[in-house]
Amino acid sequence: DAKTTQPNSMESNEEEPVHLPCNHSTISGTDYIHWYRQLPSQGPEYVIHGLTSNVNNRMASLAIAEDRKSSTLILHRATLRDAAVYYCILDSYDKVIFGPGTSLSVIP
Amino acid sequence: NAGVTQTPKFQVLKTGQSMTLQCAQDMNHEYMSWYRQDPGMGLRLIHYSVGAGITDQGEVPNGYNVSRSTTEDFPLRLLSAAPSQTSVYFCASRRGGERRETQYFGPGTRLLVL
Repeated sequence: DAKTTQPNSMESNEEEPVHLPCNHSTISGTDYIHWYRQLPSQGPEYVIHGLTSNVNNRMASLAIAEDRKSSTLILHRATLRDAAVYYCILDSYDKVIFGPGTSLSVIP
Repeated sequence: NAGVTQTPKFQVLKTGQSMTLQCAQDMNHEYMSWYRQDPGMGLRLIHYSVGAGITDQGEVPNGYNVSRSTTEDFPLRLLSAAPSQTSVYFCASRRGGERRETQYFGPGTRLLVL
């Protein structure tokens, strides 16, 4: 199963951009890159996903390296509500494996 | 739509007892899965199903059984509960056949095994 590696934790000041990195050097050509986040005491929720091209939605942007071996989730203006654990996942359709994720702290 | 629902929200078991965690979705999703999350850890895949009548093992299947007799329901059975199965259990679903689909997670069941 393809795996991802992320920093254990990151900090950001409120209203500043946040760049959350993810390495996935064993990604296969058909794996989608998904990001989820988990707020305290809740189930994970979808943030964004992509295959090869950069993606934007109302929550965030996803920048994917040209060789697809890494990606970066970008929160344009961090708010206190963005404090969560962020998971980068390679979607191999049948088995969707979560890593430990990055715990993001937002400082007022 | 109610989305993904899980019952019970919280359960206490004694070692050796059996129980079934219920999961249901009303979105006609083909793919369903069960994860467990231990304190301070990420989610680990227990079992998953790509459609009614089809199930397969995830990363940590031992001690758990699943079945998928309908599209809507995907119950998780603990055969003989052990303290190591104390965890929060999340059920998820998504449409099948297309890798770009997001998973929708239930609110979780907190299980304490004494």
